[in-house]
Amino acid sequence: QVQVVESGGGVVQPGRSLRLSCAASGFSFSLYAMNWVRQAPGKGLEWVALISNDGKNEFYPDSVKGRFIISRDNSKNTLYLQINSLRAEDTAVYSCARVFRPQQVDGAFDLWGRGTVVTVSS
Amino acid sequence: DIEMTQSPSSLSASLGDRVTITCQASQDITKFVNWYQHKSGEAPKLLIYDASNLQSGVPSRFSGSGSGTHFTLTISSLQPEDFATYYCQRYDSLPITFGQGTRLEIK
Repeated sequence: QVQVVESGGGVVQPGRSLRLSCAASGFSFSLYAMNWVRQAPGKGLEWVALISNDGKNEFYPDSVKGRFIISRDNSKNTLYLQINSLRAEDTAVYSCARVFRPQQVDGAFDLWGRGTVVTVSS
Repeated sequence: DIEMTQSPSSLSASLGDRVTITCQASQDITKFVNWYQHKSGEAPKLLIYDASNLQSGVPSRFSGSGSGTHFTLTISSLQPEDFATYYCQRYDSLPITFGQGTRLEIK
């Protein structure tokens, strides 16, 4: 079954770090660029990170640059998001999403997970 | 950054209605717009890519049009499973941005 499943969320104190994971199955993970997208409570979708299929290129919006680190292990079919110096405004559901054209970093997101919930609270 | 203004923010409609949702870009983005459907607790679903291409498996009652700065998503005849939130997305350049969303509710 073609799917991605996120894990690693939880309740975390402000200032701490957290690493999220996204396990891919049913497709050739190493051929596809991957993204992280978040949705804060009551808000819309916000793109927060993109990594090329080979892991050599990473992209972030200014809002998270310097605190978020996207990475991948193609041997384990797994995508990661390291979030440092967590803030209350990082509270959200974090989902991973695949770019639908192989070996391209631009394009629609055709496969999404349901997400993992991150709550930043003291 | 290029902004995407989506309207309306919410919409009430009846089964069988034809509805249209629009996104306006602050600059020319040619055709680099996608549309998604999102139901609470579920994974978002790609409906339309590159402004007008129907994603595989998506019912033909969904269609997209537009280019440049003005884009539309149309549902020709609302079905019960269509009540959800819809987002446009632009990807012509980084950062990738989404519209604010349109919540489609049953009248």
